[in-house]
Parts: sequence; structure tokens; C-alpha cells
Amino acid sequence: AQTVTQSQPEMSVQEAETVTLSCTYDTSESDYYLFWYKQPPSRQMILVIRQEAYKQQNATENRFSVNFQKAAKSFSLKISDSQLGDAAMYFCAYTVTFGNEKLTFGTGTRLTIIP
Amino acid sequence: DAGVIQSPRHEVTEMGQEVTLRCKPISGHDYLFWYRQTMMRGLELLIYFNNNVPIDDSGMPEDRFSAKMPNASFSTLKIQPSEPRDSAVYFCASSTGVPSGANVLTFGAGSRLTVL
Repeated sequence: AQTVTQSQPEMSVQEAETVTLSCTYDTSESDYYLFWYKQPPSRQMILVIRQEAYKQQNATENRFSVNFQKAAKSFSLKISDSQLGDAAMYFCAYTVTFGNEKLTFGTGTRLTIIP
Repeated sequence: DAGVIQSPRHEVTEMGQEVTLRCKPISGHDYLFWYRQTMMRGLELLIYFNNNVPIDDSGMPEDRFSAKMPNASFSTLKIQPSEPRDSAVYFCASSTGVPSGANVLTFGAGSRLTVL
């Protein structure tokens, strides 16, 4: 069974600094997608970034980037120039590419931005 | 598009009462998912539909839970009778479910259920 592990229940960072959130996963599949979702206090789950396993290039979306290490089954999220609006729960998620539309989530990391 | 719309936003009820949560997916999305979020268990997939047909309900905790999707624009999750341990935030999400598996889910704002 696929599992997603986020070992950091809480993280904090000074405003304008850079922070990295960790995620590891376990799968026997070779083709899959990985995601980071953000859940601010409003509760709305918002897609931050996604990575296709067959692509070696790390995905980037503005201040958000990932470090995808397929062999190590690691998928960390780097937030540069942290802003107060980045404060939220961040969830790492996984899905196989074919035959299964389920998304498996990690337990989340609560990110606090220190002004 | 208005996004995935869920109602009610908050529901407080007493144990034993019937609870119905509603969801309107994004037009054109042919997959619909119901998730439950609790502090103890995180985000759990309860059930999902493809083209209004339930595909996998293995996450539904017990017979007290039921979900329907009578048409492409509406789904309900019903709990009858409700129990305090059902207290959670229930999310509905939809996606295009393209064959490539780029399963980019769009979530609703969630329904927070409190069972007293």
C-alpha cells in the first residue's frame, strides 16, 4: 500500500526567509504524481505544486519549488521569500498515474510565519 | 467557475440525528470525491464517483454512511444516525480525471460537522 509521511508536524520561519518542508512516500509504482496542497485557516485546500515522477526536472511555481528525489522517494517543498499569507497546513499527496484516481495524503505540516 | 460548492458550511446536530452534506462539483468534472478530515486520522477518502457511478466506497466507515450522485452536478453524503465520533470536516472535491492520471483535485471549502 502506498503511504505518505510528513515527519515535521510543525515548522516556523521568519518572514522573507526560506523554509523546506519534508515528505517521503512509499510505493512500488514507477509512474505517479506527487502534490503539495496548502490549507490556510479558511480550510480551503489549494493546490500549490505538482510533480510527475517521470520528469527529472523539479517543478517550480513562483516562490514554491520542489526537490524530487525519486530513488530516495523524497519530495520536499521549498518556499522562498516566505510571506505571512504562506501560513497554513501543508499536505503532501500521491497518486498513481493509471488505474487509480485516489489521492493519498500525508498528515500535514503546520507552517508558521514569524513577522 | 464558482468552484466546488459545499453546504452547509457548519452543521451542529445531536447524536442520532440524520445529517446530509451537499456538494456541487465543477461543471465538466467527471470525478467526485468525498474526504473526511480529523485531527487523529488526517484526510481520509470515503468514496468517489466517476460519471455519477460510485467506483470505490471502501473508505466509508460503516453502514451509517451513504453517498449518492443522482446527476453530474450534485452529490450528497448522508450520515444516519449520527454519532459524536463523526465530528469532522467533510470535503468534497472534483477533477477531470484525465487518462494521464493528472489528478488535480479542486476542493470545496468543507463542511464542519459537530455531533453533540
